[in-house]
Amino acid sequence: KNEVEQSPQNLTAQEGEFITINCSYSVGISALHWLQQHPGGGIVSLFMLSSGKKKHGRLIATINIQEKHSSLHITASHPRDSAVYICAVVSNFGNEKLTFGTGTRLTIIP
Amino acid sequence: DTAVSQTPKYLVTQMGNDKSIKCEQNLGHDTMYWYKQDSKKFLKIMFSYNNKELIINETVPNRFSPKSPDKAHLNLHINSLELGDSAVYFCASSQERRWAGSGYTFGSGTRLTVV
Repeated sequence: KNEVEQSPQNLTAQEGEFITINCSYSVGISALHWLQQHPGGGIVSLFMLSSGKKKHGRLIATINIQEKHSSLHITASHPRDSAVYICAVVSNFGNEKLTFGTGTRLTIIP
Repeated sequence: DTAVSQTPKYLVTQMGNDKSIKCEQNLGHDTMYWYKQDSKKFLKIMFSYNNKELIINETVPNRFSPKSPDKAHLNLHINSLELGDSAVYFCASSQERRWAGSGYTFGSGTRLTVV
């Protein structure tokens, strides 16, 4: 079992829908990142969180350290949001091991 | 100007060959990383360097040898390439030794195909 689990693995929605992607982790962490990878392959860092909530445009990321859970929300989704969204955690134990979730493939249909 | 640039973007080579992938960042970051993304799109850390010092080596075969001549460069040399080495390799950099410090930037990836 992966230390970082994401759900759903695949998500298809209509343009304009509110999107939620979830990330659960089983290790102690010092930070959590949300990444976006477009079909062309490039990876972009969206958020880095250690507590609370962050917002950037239509994207909102939240984290609950006690529950070891984070969510990424997209409001008013658009076809250009179609990408793979990856959750990654920074462990606060050992050698600062960095662990990724398996990603959520999001497709927004016009 | 590209913040983290890696070359080449595509690399096709035969089994048994030795190849290098280069990475340079112009962000003034202290830490650089190599990641491998396998055919299932799963990302995994390979190496991390902070100011030319190796700080993470994640059970990567000895055939992989990172080299950091200065903190702006982190190259990856692979000896005796195997079919299983086929993957996309991403370079990245961040300001703090731990990702918790600040955001980080990825290169555009190098797609390595071993035939």
